[in-house]
Amino acid sequence: AQSVAQPEDQVNVAEGNPLTVKCTYSVSGNPYLFWYVQYPNRGLQFLLKYITGDNLVKGSYGFEAEFNKSQTSFHLKKPSALVSDSALYFCAVIKGTGGFKTIFGAGTRLFVKA
Amino acid sequence: EAQVTQNPRYLITVTGKKLTVTCSQNMNHEYMSWYRQDPGLGLRQIYYSMNVEVTDKGDVPEGYKVSRKEKRNFPLILESPSPNQTSLYFCASKPPLGQPYEQYFGPGTRLTVT
Repeated sequence: AQSVAQPEDQVNVAEGNPLTVKCTYSVSGNPYLFWYVQYPNRGLQFLLKYITGDNLVKGSYGFEAEFNKSQTSFHLKKPSALVSDSALYFCAVIKGTGGFKTIFGAGTRLFVKA
Repeated sequence: EAQVTQNPRYLITVTGKKLTVTCSQNMNHEYMSWYRQDPGLGLRQIYYSMNVEVTDKGDVPEGYKVSRKEKRNFPLILESPSPNQTSLYFCASKPPLGQPYEQYFGPGTRLTVT
């Protein structure tokens, strides 16, 4: 069965430091992987996606993610965290180009301290 | 402005009283979907629709109904709400099928069933 795991409920980082939010997946066939961010009282916003090609994907707000097929991971990264990055982050996977069903991870809350 | 709208944003109701949460998108998207968000569980897919009059169950469809009579609208119906349906609900849409596009989310509807 398809699944997505975000092993950390919460990540704390100081402003200016690099951040990593972890995601691992389990899906047969080629995975299509996404990161979304949710700010308080808002819907989810798309950050970036991996479909094919370069394993390092760049997205919005300076975020990037690295696809690692052997480790079945898709970790979200940012070189220098901002307080405004504090939010809830979701990793998601769809199977196939049709993308009828999306599986989301449980979410990781990121706190960036000034 | 391209957007997904949901109404109401907040709803408190009693067990057994039928309710409908509306969802509308102005991007001419074929695909629409409903999710519920619960702490520690992330987003779970309730129903999705690939086009007008074409709907299918997600992972947690019990207790919910949907309809897709128009391309822009995808209402979620709870015919006999129960307290375990207290949750935060999101509607989402995305461009035509056949490509792994990201989803656009509405602002959410917080439902409390007493």
